[in-house]
Amino acid sequence: ELKVEQNPLFLSMQEGKNYTIYCNYSTTSDRLYWYRQDPGKSLESLFVLLSNGAVKQEGRLMASLDTKARLSTLHITAAVHDLSATYFCAVDTKYGGSQGNLIFGKGTKLSVKP
Amino acid sequence: DVKVTQSSRYLVKRTGEKVFLECVQDMDHENMFWYRQDPGLGLRLIYFSYDVKMKEKGDIPEGYSVSREKKERFSLILESASTNQTSMYLCASSPLGQPQHFGDGTRLSIL
Repeated sequence: ELKVEQNPLFLSMQEGKNYTIYCNYSTTSDRLYWYRQDPGKSLESLFVLLSNGAVKQEGRLMASLDTKARLSTLHITAAVHDLSATYFCAVDTKYGGSQGNLIFGKGTKLSVKP
Repeated sequence: DVKVTQSSRYLVKRTGEKVFLECVQDMDHENMFWYRQDPGLGLRLIYFSYDVKMKEKGDIPEGYSVSREKKERFSLILESASTNQTSMYLCASSPLGQPQHFGDGTRLSIL
């Protein structure tokens, strides 16, 4: 059974600081997603990571995937208040192809303070 | 832009009622999903469907059923609503192997 663990679950940062959110998963998978959720809103897709060593960047966020370690990271550079949200990683349950069924981590609630 | 529309943002029902939550997507996606989201538990998959009239159980299907008679519409049914089904329900759709697109969610309260 695939399990996905994120840490930390809560993160309070000061503006301008850097930090990393970790996503570990328990069985082999080659497809991982990061989503963002603002309070009261739905989930928005941020990144899709499809292979070992994949790295994607958008603005102050950078995501990477190490399939051998079963680990993805979401790195935040020089945080700003607008990044305050809950971030979820999600792992595809099927290896070597996809049927689109994802297991989500519990989310990391990020709060960026001035 | 992909549009996933859930029929209600807020819904209040009584224990024992049969409850229907509707979801429509406009991008001809094969896959559709129903999740519930609870504080501290994240998103949990209830059911998903990868084709018309096809359905697969997710992690927590008990007390729920689904219907997919047309490709664009995926309905979640609470056969006899109970208070422990009070939650936020999220519908999503995706092409095979692509990110899921989520609707705005239905916050369901069972009294």
